[in-house]
Amino acid sequence: DVKVTQSSRYLVKRTGEKVFLECVQDMDHENMFWYRQDPGLGLRLIYFSYDVKMKEKGDIPEGYSVSREKKERFSLILESASTNQTSMYLCASSLGQRYYTFGSGTRLTVV
Amino acid sequence: GQQLNQSPQSMFIQEGEDVSMNCTSSSIFNTWLWYKQEPGEGPVLLIALYKAGELTSNGRLTAQFGITRKDSFLNISASIPSDVGIYFCAGHKAGTASKLTFGTGTRLQVTL
Repeated sequence: DVKVTQSSRYLVKRTGEKVFLECVQDMDHENMFWYRQDPGLGLRLIYFSYDVKMKEKGDIPEGYSVSREKKERFSLILESASTNQTSMYLCASSLGQRYYTFGSGTRLTVV
Repeated sequence: GQQLNQSPQSMFIQEGEDVSMNCTSSSIFNTWLWYKQEPGEGPVLLIALYKAGELTSNGRLTAQFGITRKDSFLNISASIPSDVGIYFCAGHKAGTASKLTFGTGTRLQVTL
C-alpha cells in the first residue's frame, strides 16, 4: 500500500512564525498535493507538484509556498503564519489519475 | 474552485440499514473516487472507478460510475457503527493535470 506520511499530527505556532509542513510518500508517485480542509468549505487545493522542482498554484495559494527537491518529499511553507491559516492540512500523492492517496493530516493552530 | 454536488448532506440511520449517496456534476469526469474520513484523520480511499458504467464493490460497499460520466453513487449495505464518518466523492476531468474536484461530503451517523 502507498503510504503518505505527514511529519506532525498537531502543531501550534505563533502569528508571524515561519512554518514548515512536511510530507513524504513511498511509492514513487510523480504528483503531490497540499490541501486545506475547513468546516463548510471542504477540501481546497493550495499547491501541487507534478515533478521534482515543478509546482503549480491551486485555488488558494496566497500566503503559502512549496518546495519539492526530491520526488518523495513535498513541503508546504507558511512564510508568516496568521490566525486565518489555522486549519487541517492534508497532503496527497498520485500516479497520474490513479492511486490518489492522502496522509493523516496536520492540524495547525496559529495563536 | 468547483465542487461536486453530493447528497444527502447528512444521514442518520439505524444499524443494519442500507445507505445510498450520490454525486452529480454538469461536467464529464473520467475518474470517480469515493473516500471516507473519520474525525481527525485524512480521507481513506474506498473505491476507484475508471470507466463509464463500471460497478465496483469493496466488501459491503458498492459504487458505480454513471453512464453519462456526470455522476456516481455509493451504496453501503447492512450498516454497522464503524461506518460512521464523512464520505466524499471526488472526480477527475480531462485537462486538469491530475487535480481532483471534491464533493461536499455526506456525514453518516449510525445508531444502534
